[in-house]
Amino acid sequence: AQSVTQLGSHVSVSEGALVLLRCNYSSSVPPYLFWYVQYPNQGLQLLLKYTTGATLVKGINGFEAEFKKSETSFHLTKPSAHMSDAAEYFCAVSVTGTASKLTFGTGTRLQVTL
Amino acid sequence: EAGVTQFPSHSVIEKGQTVTLRCDPISGHDNLYWYRRVMGKEIKFLLHFVKESKQDESGMPNNRFLAERTGGTYSTLKVQPAELEDSGVYFCASSLFEDTEAFFGQGTRLTVV
Repeated sequence: AQSVTQLGSHVSVSEGALVLLRCNYSSSVPPYLFWYVQYPNQGLQLLLKYTTGATLVKGINGFEAEFKKSETSFHLTKPSAHMSDAAEYFCAVSVTGTASKLTFGTGTRLQVTL
Repeated sequence: EAGVTQFPSHSVIEKGQTVTLRCDPISGHDNLYWYRRVMGKEIKFLLHFVKESKQDESGMPNNRFLAERTGGTYSTLKVQPAELEDSGVYFCASSLFEDTEAFFGQGTRLTVV
């Protein structure tokens, strides 16, 4: 069985500051990890995913995440926050590497202030 | 190209009534998924269609929920009779193949009062 824990249901950063959204996972087999974003009044959009290979994964809009097996973490970062980054972010794990049967975390709402 | 479309965007019904949610996947996508987010909690998998067949329905909460995908195009999710705990946001997603990116709809917010 898999599970995902996202620390912090709400995170607030200033525009231009570092964004760090935390995600820890639990999986009995090598996991496939995903970050999705939901902008207001829109569906979930895939930001990035880790399947195999390079542990630092780059996604859209300047986001990246690093898979750290020893820490069972997959934290999402962006060097400089922009107002348009305000959204809800979901970390997810899958054992199949596919869209089927994703296990999501509870989400982190990112607020960006001036 | 149109994305995944869900109808209605919001629905408020009384306990005991029936509600049907609809999902139109991206044209040509054989794989269709339903997920649900109960208020403040995680998004949970409900089921997966490949064309018109249910590939995996292990996440369906109980027999008050019925999902169909006649003809392998759009899908419906019926809740009958609805209970208060069914309130939440129901997401639909589709993908071309099972190992390709899933595209999500905006979700249907269901409120049972």
